[in-house]
Amino acid sequence: EVQLLESGGGLVQPGGSLRLSCAASGFTFNNYAMIWVRQAPGKGLEWVSGITGSGGGTYYADSVKGRLTTSRDNSKDTVFLQMNSLRAEDTAVYYCAKGIRDASKGGVDSWGQGTLVTVSS
Amino acid sequence: QTVVTQEPSFSVSPGGTVTLTCGLSSGSVSTTSYPSWYQQTPGQAPRTLIYSTNTRSSGVPDRFSGSILGNKAALTITGAQADDESDYYCVLYMGNGISVFGGGTRLTVL
Repeated sequence: EVQLLESGGGLVQPGGSLRLSCAASGFTFNNYAMIWVRQAPGKGLEWVSGITGSGGGTYYADSVKGRLTTSRDNSKDTVFLQMNSLRAEDTAVYYCAKGIRDASKGGVDSWGQGTLVTVSS
Repeated sequence: QTVVTQEPSFSVSPGGTVTLTCGLSSGSVSTTSYPSWYQQTPGQAPRTLIYSTNTRSSGVPDRFSGSILGNKAALTITGAQADDESDYYCVLYMGNGISVFGGGTRLTVL
């Protein structure tokens, strides 16, 4: 059974940084892209970032490019989202999700439970 | 910037059939858009229904189906049930590793 467990969310001041982690189990981690999706309070889902199975390709929505960085440690079956220069509009539940293939396209088939990031002074 | 469009809301009678669509503000959706569909109830993580246009995710009943209808992706629910009342989101692949969600459709079963 695929399991994805996010951690690292919390309250951070504007301009601050936070690092989210997503520990995966139940599948061959390095064979699949991993995707970050977020949902602001009362809003819809937003695709944030994708990383290929090898970690050699990373992709970002325009809204986060240059501020958020996705990486993965395939020896630990974990994907990370480093969040810098945070803004109030980054406040959201952040979900990690398992891609259906190695490449960052085609959708996802499993989701974590999400971790809340609140950017506020 | 291309926007992914969905109906904001839809209603269906119990036992009825409903088709939700997912389009582009500019251009047509095709299989190379790799459309996927997700269901979300309030306070819960999303659930994957369909990926790669028409492949049902594990455990999803066959009354959920995906297709391309004209220039849009479509999610059809047949024999709607009360617990299908949810928000439904589509995602389209835009190229260069990037995908975009639609704004979501709130489905009411009544």
